[in-house]
Amino acid sequence: SAVISQKPSRDICQRGTSLTIQCQVDSQVTMMFWYRQQPGQSLTLIATANQGSEATYESGFVIDKFPISRPNLTFSTLTVSNMSPEDSSIYLCSVIAGAGAGELFFGEGSRLTVL
Amino acid sequence: GQQLNQSPQSMFIQEGEDVSMNCTSSSIFNTWLWYKQDPGEGPVLLIALYKAGELTSNGRLTAQFGITRKDSFLNISASIPSDVGIYFCAGLTSGTYKYIFGTGTRLKVLA
Repeated sequence: SAVISQKPSRDICQRGTSLTIQCQVDSQVTMMFWYRQQPGQSLTLIATANQGSEATYESGFVIDKFPISRPNLTFSTLTVSNMSPEDSSIYLCSVIAGAGAGELFFGEGSRLTVL
Repeated sequence: GQQLNQSPQSMFIQEGEDVSMNCTSSSIFNTWLWYKQDPGEGPVLLIALYKAGELTSNGRLTAQFGITRKDSFLNISASIPSDVGIYFCAGLTSGTYKYIFGTGTRLKVLA
C-alpha cells in the first residue's frame, strides 16, 4: 500500500481566492490522481497528475480552474482557483500502488468550504 | 462523469445481521475495488478483485467479481456498530487506470 498525506486537511476560504492542496506519498508512484467529492456525493475524477508534464483533465475540468503540478514521483499539488461556493468539496489525492495489479489508495482528503 | 449504480442507496440494520450490497454497470470491468469511507476521512480500500467469478474475503467482509464482469457484490457478516459508513465500489475497464466510482451505499447499524 501507500501512505498519502494531504495538506491542508480542511480550510474555509473566501469567494474569489485560490487555495493550493499538497499531496505527499511515502514512495515513488507512477500513477497519481486528483478526485473531487461534493457534499453527499460520490467521487469524480478531476485529472491525472503526470510527472514532468501537463496533467490530463477529465471532461468538465479545466487547467485554468484546477492547475496541477507534479514535479516528481512522490509529490503533487492541486490548486482550486477563483473559488465559489460551488467548489466546496472534499478534494482527494490518490495513487495506484500495492501488490495487486491496480489498487487505488487515497489520502485523507482536504475539505474546503467556500463562503 | 459516468458512475456505477450501487444498491441499496442506504440501509439500517440491527447489530449482528448480515449485509449485502451490489454494484452494477452496463460496461465490462477488469478490476473491482470496494471501499469504506468514514465521515471526514478518505476512502479506505477493503477488497480488490481481478478475475470474473473471484470471491475474496477480508475478515467479515466478502466480495465477489460478477461472472458477467458487469457487477460486483459485497457482503458483511455479523455487522457491528463500527461498520457504519459509506461503502463505494469502483470499476476499471481495460486499457485505462481511471477508476469509475459507484454512487455509494450508506450503512447504519442499530445496536
